[in-house]
Amino acid sequence: AQSVTQLDSQVPVFEEAPVELRCNYSSSVSVYLFWYVQYPNQGLQLLLKYLSGSTLVKGINGFEAEFNKSQTSFHLRKPSVHISDTAEYFCAVRENDYKLSFGAGTTVTVRA
Amino acid sequence: NAGVTQTPKFQVLKTGQSMTLQCAQDMNHNSMYWYRQDPGMGLRLIYYSASEGTTDKGEVPNGYNVSRLNKREFSLRLESAAPSQTSVYFCASSGLRYAAEQYFGPGTRLTVT
Repeated sequence: AQSVTQLDSQVPVFEEAPVELRCNYSSSVSVYLFWYVQYPNQGLQLLLKYLSGSTLVKGINGFEAEFNKSQTSFHLRKPSVHISDTAEYFCAVRENDYKLSFGAGTTVTVRA
Repeated sequence: NAGVTQTPKFQVLKTGQSMTLQCAQDMNHNSMYWYRQDPGMGLRLIYYSASEGTTDKGEVPNGYNVSRLNKREFSLRLESAAPSQTSVYFCASSGLRYAAEQYFGPGTRLTVT
């Protein structure tokens, strides 16, 4: 069974600065990897996913993530954040079954 | 398309009361899921239904039951609510067997006093 660790629970960042959210997972088999965003009082929305192929994945709203198999990581980045990026971000991992395992979440707060 | 809808949005129960959370999707998805979200713990899977007619336990099934009523609808029942079930509940659905993302509803905020 897989586990997902998001290394930072809170990330404060200034507007227009870059941000990186770190995610590590443990699994003995090939996995599918996802990043979701949750805006206040809303459900989760997919940012991007890695299924196979290129290890650099681009998503919505200018986010991208890089899959590193040897380090079992899937870190999320954005080169320049906006106030509207204030949200909670979840990394999730799926093996060859129906279930997603989620990390505990990283709260990003963007300040002017 | 409405996507995934959940009712109610908010609910307050007293300990020992029962209630059913409703979920429906209009994307013709085969699989549906119920999660609970608690601060600092991410989302934890309660039950899922890989296809119509099947249901399976997830990580935290105790105190809950589910019904896959048809392909569109998947309900979650609390038979005797406890304060530990105070949480935000999300329903989700997905299409293809392994690689597809899950689509989430807006959530139900439940408080048990």
